[in-house]
Amino acid sequence: ETGVTQTPRHLVMGMTNKKSLKCEQHLGHNAMYWYKQSAKKPLELMFVYSLEERVENNSVPSRFSPECPNSSHLFLHLHTLQPEDSALYLCASSQDTGSSYEQYFGPGTRLTVT
Amino acid sequence: GQSLEQPSEVTAVEGAIVQINCTYQTSGFYGLSWYQQHDGGAPTFLSYNGLDGLEETGRFSSFLSRSDSYGYLLLQELQMKDSASYFCAVLNTGGFKTIFGAGTRLFVKA
Repeated sequence: ETGVTQTPRHLVMGMTNKKSLKCEQHLGHNAMYWYKQSAKKPLELMFVYSLEERVENNSVPSRFSPECPNSSHLFLHLHTLQPEDSALYLCASSQDTGSSYEQYFGPGTRLTVT
Repeated sequence: GQSLEQPSEVTAVEGAIVQINCTYQTSGFYGLSWYQQHDGGAPTFLSYNGLDGLEETGRFSSFLSRSDSYGYLLLQELQMKDSASYFCAVLNTGGFKTIFGAGTRLFVKA
């Protein structure tokens, strides 16, 4: 257990659906991250939040919409996704953005878009 | 542009030593991290090099040479449970944008 939880662990959705991924960290960290992990590709940083403020949007399509209501919770709202969005979505946290060299990851949500 | 290169696969026998190399090209470099990820699991932090030289943590060591834009992860006394993917990751001078390599799949054989 890393202290970072994600729900759901698996999600199958159609291209017209709307769903949300949830991440919660119990480490008292101030920075949270969303990553996309596809087979045979590097982890792709999607968003970075520092103290509930988005500090990085790594050219992510608008069909992905993050939300950080407090420093412990992070959501990723999904709508009108494409099949190529199928991947493992990982949430991570670090003490702060200056300590992002040491991130703690959740187990991920395996997303399949049909 | 920014890129990291590491071998896609490495195979070694139990009890041996293996070195996983990582070379990087980045517009601003702050440090190099290493993560381990077992199949179906989350990446877990192993080590960080902010300065040149060797960092040792138990059976694992990590090395950085800024002048060569190169680092490596050294795993000693390999165990079957070390079979996993290992990622190097560069932290940019922006401070929070971490770029990951594609990962090296390590197979440990009996």
